[in-house]
Amino acid sequence: NAGVTQTPKFRILKIGQSMTLQCTQDMNHNYMYWYRQDPGMGLKLIYYSVGAGITDKGEVPNGYNVSRSTTEDFPLRLELAAPSQTSVYFCASSSSTGGAYGNTIYFGEGSWLTVV
Amino acid sequence: AQSVTQLDSQVPVFEEAPVELRCNYSSSVSVYLFWYVQYPNQGLQLLLKYLSGSTLVKGINGFEAEFNKSQTSFHLRKPSVHISDTAEYFCAVSTQGAQKLVFGQGTRLTINP
Repeated sequence: NAGVTQTPKFRILKIGQSMTLQCTQDMNHNYMYWYRQDPGMGLKLIYYSVGAGITDKGEVPNGYNVSRSTTEDFPLRLELAAPSQTSVYFCASSSSTGGAYGNTIYFGEGSWLTVV
Repeated sequence: AQSVTQLDSQVPVFEEAPVELRCNYSSSVSVYLFWYVQYPNQGLQLLLKYLSGSTLVKGINGFEAEFNKSQTSFHLRKPSVHISDTAEYFCAVSTQGAQKLVFGQGTRLTINP
């Protein structure tokens, strides 16, 4: 049972480069999320999606883009990478509004990104 | 809007000692509360959650938490910790109809032998 799978696990980018973090889930969840985790800062929501074709900004969307063409996939695009985007990125999914009605959010194992 | 404050960024304890990780929240409406655990180099997984009913909630690995509405708290406890409990613990809050969880800053629990 794969759950939420994200790739790559580690990546080093040069300033100004672009890349896409891939995320896929096999639980048929409508809701998907991208978080970033910085030391001592907890998790900050970057973007989320409530279903295929629908996305919305979270707390820290600047410098990122997302798309949701299928229920399963929710890639995160970094354009013109900056050192401030060095972080650990987590993709997650839930069957309905994450947290509302007590729905559990399921997380991927994380992607460590360093921008130099 | 709701918010979460975890009062301790790091908690060191000795093995087999009890532990309490503190969490306070702020919300003007009824809340759902969660504790997630993150083991080293892994993603987060649900430890326990409070939705309604009994204010004492039991989770996995012997952890429990108590919802205290008057003190707006949801502290996590374990009577006797093990080395394998070394992890970062996140408190989170949501409300009915909300589209996302709000996470606290995390508490790093370190177990010393």
